[in-house]
Parts: sequence; C-alpha cells; structure tokens
Amino acid sequence: EIVLTQSPGTLSLSPGERATLSCRASQSVSSSYLAWYQQKLGQAPRLLIYGASSRATGIPDRFSGSGSGTDFTLTISRLEPEDFAVYYCQQYGSSPFRVTFGPGTKVDIK
Amino acid sequence: EVQLVESGGGLVQPGRSLRLSCAASGFTFDDYAMHWVRQAPGKGLEWVSGISWNSGSIGYADSVKGRFTISRDNAKNSLYLQMNSLRTEDTALYYCAKLTPRGYSFDYWGQGTLVTVSS
Repeated sequence: EIVLTQSPGTLSLSPGERATLSCRASQSVSSSYLAWYQQKLGQAPRLLIYGASSRATGIPDRFSGSGSGTDFTLTISRLEPEDFAVYYCQQYGSSPFRVTFGPGTKVDIK
Repeated sequence: EVQLVESGGGLVQPGRSLRLSCAASGFTFDDYAMHWVRQAPGKGLEWVSGISWNSGSIGYADSVKGRFTISRDNAKNSLYLQMNSLRTEDTALYYCAKLTPRGYSFDYWGQGTLVTVSS
C-alpha cells in the first residue's frame, strides 16, 4: 500500500505570500493518479488539482501542481484570505480500488 | 447541477449496524464509479470503499473489509454503504464522492452524514 506523507504539518503565512506544500509517496506514483484537495472548516473537500498539475474547473491560476515519481508539490503563488485551509494530497490505485490520502497540511494565518 | 446527498447516519451502539445512502442527481449516475470517504472528528480524510459503474469492481479499505458492503442502484441513482459490526473507531462524517471522468480523483462530494458509534 502506498503511503503519502505531507509536509509541513502546518504552514503559517501572511496573505500575499507564496505557499509551497509537499506530498511524498512511499513508492512511485503515476502523475495521472495524484490529486490535491482543499478543505475549509465545516465543508466538504474541494478538488484543486488532478493529474498532478491540471487545475480543476473554476480553480484560480494562483494554484499550481507539479512533481513526479514520489515527490509532488502544490504551490499557491499569492495567498488570498480564502486560501487559509487544510490541503490534502491523494493517490488512486486500481487493485481494483485503492485510494489513499495524505495526512494534510494546514495553512493558517501568521 | 451535480448533487450528492447522504443520509442514514446517527448514533449507534458498538456491534450494531447502519446503512448509509447517497442520492445523486445532475449527472449520468451509471457512467461513473462512486466512493465513500470518511473523516473522524478533527482528523484527516480516509478512503472507505469504491464501486465501479456496473458494480463489477469493488474495493475496501483494510479497516472496514469484511464489515462494510458497498452497493449501488443505478435505476435509483443511489449509492449505499451497509456497515455491520460497528466499532467506536468508525465514528466519522461519511462522504460520498463522484469520480472524475478521467477516473482518478473526486470532483464532487456530498456534505456528509455523521455516524457516531458509542454505548
């Protein structure tokens, strides 16, 4: 089973700053199978990035994803007040279904 | 507009059973695999189970295998999760989630139904 590790656990930044979130897999993951979600308190998760680097519908271009193999990154170029939330990476396996989420990175206001 | 509405949660004693439902609308339900994802209070997301469009492929997390059963009724646009032998560690908000057309991430989620397992 692939284990996802996210770092840091908490990122304290100010609006306007750049956020860089890391997701590391215990074994190589196809880029097609790596996604990122945003979750705000009391809300369901929201898909941000799929296929490691493709933005989902309606996601602002300040969000970008990159990476391959075992190391993936979510970057928020300039934090807006509404971006302070928890972010999860997710990988999808098919044996037949085997989905795992990372533990999350909380981005909070400094 | 895509909508996923979960129901069936509640307070249940350890060892008892509960059946969750997810009513889907706004898309062609039988074109997509569907999944259940849960979130314990104050914790992260945990995948629970998934089912292909025709119920031909099904998967479970190790933590629920043998106790939970996923199913769907395409005629009713509905997804189900039968939960037996419930444990206190099954306490969580249970979301149903729709797979994207590409099939590897979840583009729509319900608001969740809360399951509390306690004596």
